[in-house]
Amino acid sequence: DGGITQSPKYLFRKEGQNVTLSCEQNLNHDAMYWYRQDPGQGLRLIYYSQIVNDFQKGDIAEGYSVSREKKESFPLTVTSAQKNPTAFYLCASSTGTGYTEAFFGQGTRLTVV
Amino acid sequence: RKEVEQDPGPFNVPEGATVAFNCTYSNSASQSFFWYRQDCRKEPKLLMSVYSSGNEDGRFTAQLNRASQYISLLIRDSKLSDSATYLCAQPQDDKIIFGKGTRLHILP
Repeated sequence: DGGITQSPKYLFRKEGQNVTLSCEQNLNHDAMYWYRQDPGQGLRLIYYSQIVNDFQKGDIAEGYSVSREKKESFPLTVTSAQKNPTAFYLCASSTGTGYTEAFFGQGTRLTVV
Repeated sequence: RKEVEQDPGPFNVPEGATVAFNCTYSNSASQSFFWYRQDCRKEPKLLMSVYSSGNEDGRFTAQLNRASQYISLLIRDSKLSDSATYLCAQPQDDKIIFGKGTRLHILP
């Protein structure tokens, strides 16, 4: 089945550590996105990528980094510079034409302990 | 940045009633809009796409009003299982921008 897979589902991090969230899709989509969602809040865009080896900052990129070395993969690193990393992280993909919907992975719930 | 705005609710509606909520947008260049449903602690799932002529799928109807720059979602004969948060989304340039969502509670 085609879809988007995020892993892990739950992640605990100690303060000061970097962690990397995985996002893989087999939908042959060009565009991929990372969003952050805090309790009771909407989705805020962290980074997005329209093609391999290219990505752009979203609204809240500080403290995060990404790579897009393969079309299928768009990992997100939450660095120690991110002051409030505890949140629900959602990866999405779309065909990237600008008129099509995004499909989401199941999300990673990150908690700083 | 151009915004997508929604009434956060909650909308508390008795089972079987009809409920409607809107989403206003400021980027008039978009040709398409989307409604997503998000259950608690889950990922958003696409409910409906909305283009120029609107869309209907069973009990759900989505409309686009370009003159007033809003999209609407109408749910008829509401079910307990319709309780969720409904997000609207709009492609803008190379991004997809989401509203903060409207919470809907269907009451037995």
